[in-house]
Amino acid sequence: QKEVEQNSGPLSVPEGAIASLNCTYSDRGSQSFFWYRQYSGKSPELIMSIYSNGDKEDGRFTAQLNKASQYVSLLIRDSQPSDSATYLCAVVGMDSNYQLIWGAGTKLIIKP
Amino acid sequence: DAGVIQSPRHEVTEMGQEVTLRCKPISGHNSLFWYRQTMMRGLELLIYFNNNVPIDDSGMPEDRFSAKMPNASFSTLKIQPSEPRDSAVYFCASSLSGYGNQPQHFGDGTRLSIL
Repeated sequence: QKEVEQNSGPLSVPEGAIASLNCTYSDRGSQSFFWYRQYSGKSPELIMSIYSNGDKEDGRFTAQLNKASQYVSLLIRDSQPSDSATYLCAVVGMDSNYQLIWGAGTKLIIKP
Repeated sequence: DAGVIQSPRHEVTEMGQEVTLRCKPISGHNSLFWYRQTMMRGLELLIYFNNNVPIDDSGMPEDRFSAKMPNASFSTLKIQPSEPRDSAVYFCASSLSGYGNQPQHFGDGTRLSIL
């Protein structure tokens, strides 16, 4: 069974703190990993992609990938109320015929 | 650059009616995806096309659903006859490649309500 697991939340984080979102996946052959942000009533929006082990930084966002442990995480530094949204993890692997397998998303709430 | 364009944004219709959703992918993208999103089931892939050819329609729930991509810049998802359980948000997405190494870019979605 191809699976991508995320804690549904809500994850509540005070403004200015670091928000940490986690995602685990079952397909060891997974090669591409994406984080999408979805505001309520809006469409998913790509915020980060990562393909190799380690960290990838883009502004306040850092994606971390550990293929040995089969997890990918997203850190948001200096969290802002505008970061409040649902964050979707999506993983591509051989088992899914190279298509995206989506997590159910983690709802993040940034409290002013 | 124009993103993925979907129409209509909202559709309300009665059970039994035919519903047609439309999508224009990003120019130059070779792959197009139709998704359905509900609170209960999350984001579900219905069908995807690569170079206008349907590759995998295993996510299409029933024969009442059909999708076409007559050319590289247009696709339709049709439901006939529609049922209340089809109520959901339907997203179209496109990507440069159908092999997953390229991210997908989503349209604004069609919010469908079947009464």
